[in-house]
Amino acid sequence: AQTVTQSQPEMSVQEAETVTLSCTYDTSENNYYLFWYKQPPSRQMILVIRQEAYKQQNATENRFSVNFQKAAKSFSLKISDSQLGDTAMYFCALIFGNEKLTFGTGTRLTIIP
Amino acid sequence: KAGVTQTPRYLIKTRGQQVTLSCSPISGHRSVSWYQQTPGQGLQFLFEYFSETQRNKGNFPGRFSGRQFSNSRSEMNVSTLELGDSALYLCASSPGTGGIPETQYFGPGTRLLVL
Repeated sequence: AQTVTQSQPEMSVQEAETVTLSCTYDTSENNYYLFWYKQPPSRQMILVIRQEAYKQQNATENRFSVNFQKAAKSFSLKISDSQLGDTAMYFCALIFGNEKLTFGTGTRLTIIP
Repeated sequence: KAGVTQTPRYLIKTRGQQVTLSCSPISGHRSVSWYQQTPGQGLQFLFEYFSETQRNKGNFPGRFSGRQFSNSRSEMNVSTLELGDSALYLCASSPGTGGIPETQYFGPGTRLLVL
């Protein structure tokens, strides 16, 4: 079975600062993807970034980047130059094969003006 | 491309009633997954449909069922509603190629309140 753990229930940071959200996971699979999804107050689940496990290079999407440590089974999200619109719940998730997404419990991030 | 759409967006039902939720995937996507989100249990997988067949199923009672049509649109049904079924129901679609991980794209969700 796959597990995803987010140990930071809540975080807050000043606008324009950098924040890192942590995620660890456990799987015996070799071919899997990891994701960060964002869920703002509207409750829409929005894809932030994806990392394929077979890729050594860390994924980046504009202000969002990940630190993927496969051996340590760690997958953290760094948000640079944080903006008020980044306020949301952030979920780390894992998928392999045709299987379901396994989600962590989420981190509530608040950007303070 | 248009995103995943879900209807209705909000529903209020009473205990014992049944409800049907609808999901239209991104054009060309053949796999549709359903998730239930509650404050207590977080995000839980209900089931996944591909080519009109249920391919994966989560650990939910038989009151929860679904189906997929030939145009890949999917519906889920909950019969004999209980208070604990109050939740946000999220639908996600993916291309549906075989055997490899895929990115799932979510709809806006249906908020169900059972009174």
